[in-house]
Amino acid sequence: GQNIDQPTEMTATEGAIVQINCTYQTSGFNGLFWYQQHAGEAPTFLSYNVLDGLEEKGRFSSFLSRSKGYSYLLLKELQMKDSASYLCAVMDSNYQLIWGAGTKLIIKP
Amino acid sequence: GAVVSQHPSWVICKSGTSVKIECRSLDFQATTMFWYRQFPKQSLMLMATSNEGSKATYEQGVEKDKFLINHASLTLSTLTVTSAHPEDSSFYICSARDLRIAGDTGELFFGEGSRLTVL
Repeated sequence: GQNIDQPTEMTATEGAIVQINCTYQTSGFNGLFWYQQHAGEAPTFLSYNVLDGLEEKGRFSSFLSRSKGYSYLLLKELQMKDSASYLCAVMDSNYQLIWGAGTKLIIKP
Repeated sequence: GAVVSQHPSWVICKSGTSVKIECRSLDFQATTMFWYRQFPKQSLMLMATSNEGSKATYEQGVEKDKFLINHASLTLSTLTVTSAHPEDSSFYICSARDLRIAGDTGELFFGEGSRLTVL
């Protein structure tokens, strides 16, 4: 079967750095996405990785290792507004998105 | 970036009635639209995929006669929850893509979501 694993919840301090991991097992791979979702709102796109390595975008970076079926989202200089759920999703060989359950990130002052 | 508008944002209805949710792509043509349902503290669950001008493809376990999807134009898809019951209360989200865009990254553009409460 196909599955995406990510931690259920993480807590970090304002101004710090946090890394959210995602491991996946899917039938084929056509890219990995990270989305941010605030409670009661629709997800917003953060990043897309299809090749191995690190993609940096401001305070957020995303890393992919296809051989390990592993990705992480790195958030730097955490702000209170970063409190949200972070969803990892993988596009399989049929171009279907397989979603993880999301990681709820709690930022403390 | 591309904008997808979903309406209504909130809807409360009585059990047994039908509710229609609209999803519009405002500044691009959506060849493909996806409908998701999300229960509290759970991930998105894909309900169906609709391509403009053709019948929607429903995920296993989703009743196509209960959740009617129409994608008659490149900018509008509708989801109708027929004979709604309290267990249908959920957050329904649509997303859209234009598969004709060269270099399409596969990014999905999401609507704002519609929270349905069935009494």
